[in-house]
Amino acid sequence: AQSVTQPDIHITVSEGASLELRCNYSYGATPYLFWYVQSPGQGLQLLLKYFSGDTLVQGIKGFEAEFKRSQSSFNLRKPSVHWSDAAEYFCAVVNSGGYQKVTFGIGTKLQVIP
Amino acid sequence: NAGVMQNPRHLVRRRGQEARLRCSPMKGHSHVYWYRQLPEEGLKFMVYLQKENIIDESGMPKERFSAEFPKEGPSILRIQQVVRGDSAAYFCASSPDGTGHGYTFGSGTRLTVV
Repeated sequence: AQSVTQPDIHITVSEGASLELRCNYSYGATPYLFWYVQSPGQGLQLLLKYFSGDTLVQGIKGFEAEFKRSQSSFNLRKPSVHWSDAAEYFCAVVNSGGYQKVTFGIGTKLQVIP
Repeated sequence: NAGVMQNPRHLVRRRGQEARLRCSPMKGHSHVYWYRQLPEEGLKFMVYLQKENIIDESGMPKERFSAEFPKEGPSILRIQQVVRGDSAAYFCASSPDGTGHGYTFGSGTRLTVV
């Protein structure tokens, strides 16, 4: 069965610093990979997704992620964090075959300090 | 394009009452998924439906929970005789063809059982 691991439950970074959120997945075939962001009390907003092709994916709000098959990873990065980036971030994986049930990681809460 | 619409946004029920959560998929989408987010946990898959069919309900609690997606109208997630442990955010997603492409989440319904 597919699974997603986000090893960091909480991360605190200073505004302007770079950010990397880790995500590892377990799935036999090529997965579809997603990063979502959720502000408190809000729904899920899609930041970016990877289906195939270029392994470096650009998303909204200045985020990017790199798919590394050899490491089963899909880490999210941002070169300079803004205070408004404080939120919870979810990595997710979907089967590339069959029907698409999304499996989410447990999430990483990002705190941004001045 | 109105996106995936969920209502109500917030729902308060007393223990023992019934909760009905509605999800209207995006126009042209005939595949609906329900997820539950418990406090301090990630999102967990509950059920996948197509029009008039339940495809996968492996994530649904065995009792008190049911879901439908009729030929006409929204998908309904029904929780009978709610208990405090049912308090959570319930998210709906839709897709046009059951693949990862076009997978879109609604803003969720936050159920509070008092």
